[in-house]
Amino acid sequence: QVQLVQSGAEVKKPGSSVKVSCKASGGTFSSYTISWVRQAPGQGLEWMGRIIPILGIANYAQKFQGRVTITADKSTSTAYMELSSLRSEDTAVYYCARDYSGPNYNWFDPWGQGTLVTVSS
Amino acid sequence: SSELTQDPAVSVALGQTVRITCQGDSLRSYYASWYQQKPGQAPVLVIYGKNNRPSGIPDRFSGSSSGNTASLTITGAQAEDEADYYCNSRDSSGNHPVFGGGTKLTVL
Repeated sequence: QVQLVQSGAEVKKPGSSVKVSCKASGGTFSSYTISWVRQAPGQGLEWMGRIIPILGIANYAQKFQGRVTITADKSTSTAYMELSSLRSEDTAVYYCARDYSGPNYNWFDPWGQGTLVTVSS
Repeated sequence: SSELTQDPAVSVALGQTVRITCQGDSLRSYYASWYQQKPGQAPVLVIYGKNNRPSGIPDRFSGSSSGNTASLTITGAQAEDEADYYCNSRDSSGNHPVFGGGTKLTVL
């Protein structure tokens, strides 16, 4: 079955960018959708955007439009999420997850282990 | 505020049945999925589609839906079920996923 392994924790300065990776094993990477979800400390889950690697098409939550870029490298079965213009409120754990979407359903399974991004001066 | 509304906290006595609810207009058109998250861990899918459990999820977990409300029921709650639970469906446009605010379940 599919497993997702993410890159390690990052500490970034305000105004900088961070790029988090999510490497997939098992299954056919290019045929499925990867979403990114974040969770600020003590807060709930927040969907950021998704990519369909076989199409190279990404779409994003309105809140993150212009600041987030999600890409995928089919040759290495790796998805990436880059967030720019970081501010303290972006401190969160960032998760990737396989995204199942259809006409009347949506679910995420499995999830990566999470990557803590800390934004601090 | 989220387009999906959950009670912030619910408690249940050990071995009893508890229902966790999720309300939102999109639930009239889209199934909810449910996730269990324990401290320091990634979320785990427990219910998806009409009422499906992934492999490895105990059958005490079940899902249902009526109108604009989806429910996760745990029949015979165990101590290890103590966790945060999140529902997920689509936003009002139907284009993007959205999560409920989460429910903290305490097993007494």
